[in-house]
Amino acid sequence: EPEVTQTPSHQVTQMGQEVILRCVPISNHLYFYWYRQILGQKVEFLVSFYNNEISEKSEIFDDQFSVERPDGSNFTLKIRSTKLEDSAMYFCASRQDFYGYTFGSGTRLTVV
Amino acid sequence: GDSVTQMEGPVTLSEEACLTINCTYTATGYPSLFWYVQYPGEGLQLLLKATKADDKGSNKGFEATYRKETTSFHLEKGSVQVSDSAVYFCALNLSGGYNKLIFGAGTRLAVHP
Repeated sequence: EPEVTQTPSHQVTQMGQEVILRCVPISNHLYFYWYRQILGQKVEFLVSFYNNEISEKSEIFDDQFSVERPDGSNFTLKIRSTKLEDSAMYFCASRQDFYGYTFGSGTRLTVV
Repeated sequence: GDSVTQMEGPVTLSEEACLTINCTYTATGYPSLFWYVQYPGEGLQLLLKATKADDKGSNKGFEATYRKETTSFHLEKGSVQVSDSAVYFCALNLSGGYNKLIFGAGTRLAVHP
């Protein structure tokens, strides 16, 4: 069964450093998403991406965040200058039709 | 705004016990409703869904009925197994806005032999 692959599974970074979280969505999917889950809290929408541009973003997704689909297969989330409160599990998802979300296993980001 | 509220966990049950995890929602339109499950170390997997009022979603012995009058979508299973131990998330999405999912906080279920 097709999968969404996220790397790395765990990333530790120092405050102020840039991080790039990587995702390989399912190849024939058209819509791409990033969600995050701070430990013990709900899963929150960050951004959706369609047709090579951001289609919607939440208030969490400020200027420190950016997304890119650089080569038609990868979908990346960059955090320019990490803060302690960016520590969370980040999930990538892709979708072909209205209902068929497929999520990756997540990247646990720890900012120290 | 649109939101999902689900019962706090953890829920601890013995094998073969009945399970109910409550979920209620607030939405401006007519959402589709979902239950996702997250097994340890894995991603979010769709467990079941319902797209309109009175629909019943079912999968792997789990069921949930879309109740518009009570704005609820409670997850039920008649006899849980140890392998059902996971975190369960209720979620909704609306027909517009590129269909982002809005999640509840998640409920951890632990089933003991």
